[in-house]
Amino acid sequence: AQSVAQPEDQVNVAEGNPLTVKCTYSVSGNPYLFWYVQYPNRGLQFLLKYITGDNLVKGSYGFEAEFNKSQTSFHLKKPSALVSDSALYFCAVRDASHNAGNMLTFGGGTRLMVKP
Amino acid sequence: NAGVTQTPKFRVLKTGQSMTLLCAQDMNHEYMYWYRQDPGMGLRLIHYSVGEGTTAKGEVPDGYNVSRLKKQNFLLGLESAAPSQTSVYFCASSRGTERFPSPLHFGNGTRLTVT
Repeated sequence: AQSVAQPEDQVNVAEGNPLTVKCTYSVSGNPYLFWYVQYPNRGLQFLLKYITGDNLVKGSYGFEAEFNKSQTSFHLKKPSALVSDSALYFCAVRDASHNAGNMLTFGGGTRLMVKP
Repeated sequence: NAGVTQTPKFRVLKTGQSMTLLCAQDMNHEYMYWYRQDPGMGLRLIHYSVGEGTTAKGEVPDGYNVSRLKKQNFLLGLESAAPSQTSVYFCASSRGTERFPSPLHFGNGTRLTVT
């Protein structure tokens, strides 16, 4: 089975400060990992993914994520937060050995609040 | 460039009523999915399809049926709605998986309330 945990329901950060949104995962094989963002009354939008290779992955809007195999984590980071980054963030995982259907398992989501 | 379009955007049903949620994608994607989103629970997969004419159960399929008669459309049906099906429903699509997975593209959701 594959699972994802996002331990923080909400993260508060001041504009201009660095932000981190945490994600840990569990899979039986190697993971494919994703971050998505959801703005109010909208569907999820893809931010970035880790498939293989470099542990630091860069994505849209200045976000990046660091894959740590020993800690089974894939934390989302940004060096300098913007008020417009305020949204709901979802981490997702797929076991690389489970090929059928490209089915992702999503975490419960973390609300990011960036204050001016 | 519409992407993934869901209709309707909102719906209120009484317990026992039926309805169909429509999803259309114009990206020629092979795979399509139906998820439900509930507070604190993230997104849970209801059903999915890996191609025209094929469907499969996801994590929470009970009480739902789906059909994929055309590649671009994926329909989600509720035969007898229950209050536990009050949720926001998202349709998504992706390219077929070759070696590496491709990202999912989501619609803007259907907010369903069952009273």
